[in-house]
Amino acid sequence: QKEVEQDPGPLSVPEGAIVSLNCTYSNSAFQYFMWYRQYSRKGPELLMYTYSSGNKEDGRFTAQVDKSSKYISLFIRDSQPSDSATYLCAYKTGANSKLTFGKGITLSVRP
Amino acid sequence: SAVISQKPSRDICQRGTSLTIQCQVDSQVTMMFWYRQQPGQSLTLIATANQGSEATYESGFVIDKFPISRPNLTFSTLTVSNMSPEDSSIYLCSVRLNAYEQYFGPGTRLTVT
Repeated sequence: QKEVEQDPGPLSVPEGAIVSLNCTYSNSAFQYFMWYRQYSRKGPELLMYTYSSGNKEDGRFTAQVDKSSKYISLFIRDSQPSDSATYLCAYKTGANSKLTFGKGITLSVRP
Repeated sequence: SAVISQKPSRDICQRGTSLTIQCQVDSQVTMMFWYRQQPGQSLTLIATANQGSEATYESGFVIDKFPISRPNLTFSTLTVSNMSPEDSSIYLCSVRLNAYEQYFGPGTRLTVT
């Protein structure tokens, strides 16, 4: 079993839709959780990060962590064409440990 | 946040040659990383390059192939040596500011012919 599994894509939604992106993990030692957004031909951009279970909101984005079920989700409300990108989940076990990335899911928001 | 620049942004190189990629950060950082991202794949950590110590390489990556320099807290280089087409990839520099915030450069797109 891979350490991190991310929903396969690509995903295409109409503008204004609510998007749900999901990752599951097997390593119960993961304590830090991040979401990165990567536009085509650009480096990954840190979108959100969290440490605890529960929800964290930032504008149209909500990161949800469920440590007991070992999954994290990113919700995008009122999706915009500018949200079209690849989204990568990332985890690490400790403050100084390495990041483990999911494969990424490509989202396309149709105008 | 951190602003990271990389040079070159892209290059096409011949088999058997070497390429050195430069990474410059706009602030002093201790922890710096080099990643590889192959087409359609996720990011793979090559090595951790902390200033004042030898780079630490991940399984499958060796210093002879990917020598790294870290002369100060704002700069690092990664060399891809004796290149083969399998080295064609995007190489990304990354810095960690704290437990939560790790930022990436724009990447260097390498094609080996």
